[in-house]
Amino acid sequence: NAGVTQTPKFQVLKTGQSMTLQCAQDMNHEYMSWYRQDPGMGLRLIHYSVGAGITDQGEVPNGYNVSRSTTEDFPLRLLSAAPSQTSVYFCASRAGGRADTQYFGPGTRLTVL
Amino acid sequence: AQKVTQAQTEISVVEKEDVTLDCVYETRDTTYYLFWYKQPPSGELVFLIRRNSFDEQNEISGRYSWNFQKSTSSFNFTITASQVVDSAVYFCALSEGGTGANNLFFGTGTRLTVIP
Repeated sequence: NAGVTQTPKFQVLKTGQSMTLQCAQDMNHEYMSWYRQDPGMGLRLIHYSVGAGITDQGEVPNGYNVSRSTTEDFPLRLLSAAPSQTSVYFCASRAGGRADTQYFGPGTRLTVL
Repeated sequence: AQKVTQAQTEISVVEKEDVTLDCVYETRDTTYYLFWYKQPPSGELVFLIRRNSFDEQNEISGRYSWNFQKSTSSFNFTITASQVVDSAVYFCALSEGGTGANNLFFGTGTRLTVIP
């Protein structure tokens, strides 16, 4: 099992550009989520999904879109990048039960100029 | 609303000292889950432990131990005989057990530096 994978590892964008951060898991997990990590603020939930076809907003969803067409993939889209979206992005998944542990991907470091 | 507080922003200790990282949480649910994650300088998030709200037993795993006290809403993490490899940012997190997605909410983390 590869676990949770994320691509790319690093990305630099210009303000206004769009891009998609990819996330995939091979553990057949129902629940997937995206977090951003900023200095001094810990990890904050952007969007999450409890299963294919179901997504919902987290704490900081503005400027991001998600979709979940398959169990394995949960891409995060930035439609028009802003410098405030400079951050490290983590994708995570868990089996689905509320007691289950969430496992994280390696992260994507995004810089918006 | 749920909340996790890690009041210690940064801690420095000399190698072989013991160190305790504090975590205080707030929740209205009677069923909830607490977690600790480690983020070493390489940046990945490593799961350390999960504790259920109905299990107040303390846990020891090698040099790591966790003290869960519902009476004070705390879930503290102690590293005994610290080593340089323990240098990392440590996050405490909470997941509520009620209906819904049971998302994971994180504290702001404690950066531990172990000085050789």
